[in-house]
Amino acid sequence: EPEVTQTPSHQVTQMGQEVILRCVPISNHLYFYWYRQILGQKVEFLVSFYNNEISEKSEIFDDQFSVERPDGSNFTLKIRSTKLEDSAMYFCASSDRQGAYGYTFGSGTRLTVV
Amino acid sequence: QQQVKQSPQSLIVQKGGISIINCAYENTAFDYFPWYQQFPGKGPALLIAIRPDVSEKKEGRFTISFNKSAKQFSLHIMDSQPGDSATYFCAASTIQGAQKLVFGQGTRLTINP
Repeated sequence: EPEVTQTPSHQVTQMGQEVILRCVPISNHLYFYWYRQILGQKVEFLVSFYNNEISEKSEIFDDQFSVERPDGSNFTLKIRSTKLEDSAMYFCASSDRQGAYGYTFGSGTRLTVV
Repeated sequence: QQQVKQSPQSLIVQKGGISIINCAYENTAFDYFPWYQQFPGKGPALLIAIRPDVSEKKEGRFTISFNKSAKQFSLHIMDSQPGDSATYFCAASTIQGAQKLVFGQGTRLTINP
């Protein structure tokens, strides 16, 4: 079964450093998403991306965050200057259709900011 | 308005019993209600979903009951098995327009053998 692949599985970074989280969506999918889950809390929407531009973003997704699809296969989330409160599990998801149908989530990247 | 409230936070059920998890929403524009199952170290995986034009949907041991007037929906797991032990999230979205999922807080389900 096709999978969404995320790397690394765990990243530790110092406060103020930039991090890039990488995702390889399912190959024929056109809609891409990032969500995050702070430990023990609910999964929260960050951003959706389609046709090389952001479709929607949450209030969490401020100027410190950016997304990019640098080539035909990768989808990245960049956090420019990490804060302690950015520590969370970050999930990438992709879908082959508009709407919440057919999401496939990756296994996540656990980001720890120290 | 965008919240989805889920209860209970944790649930312990004996093997063979029925597990019931409840969710309530506020935004009447929501028209897609999925349930996700998450095992430790993994991403959420779609379990079952319902649209508001039906009051119940069953897939194997998993059933969603939907009450549009009360703005509530619930997941029932019949004949619960130890392999069902996981965190379950309800979510809501709109089919048209916004594609984001609004998740509930999650329920950690433990099935005792």
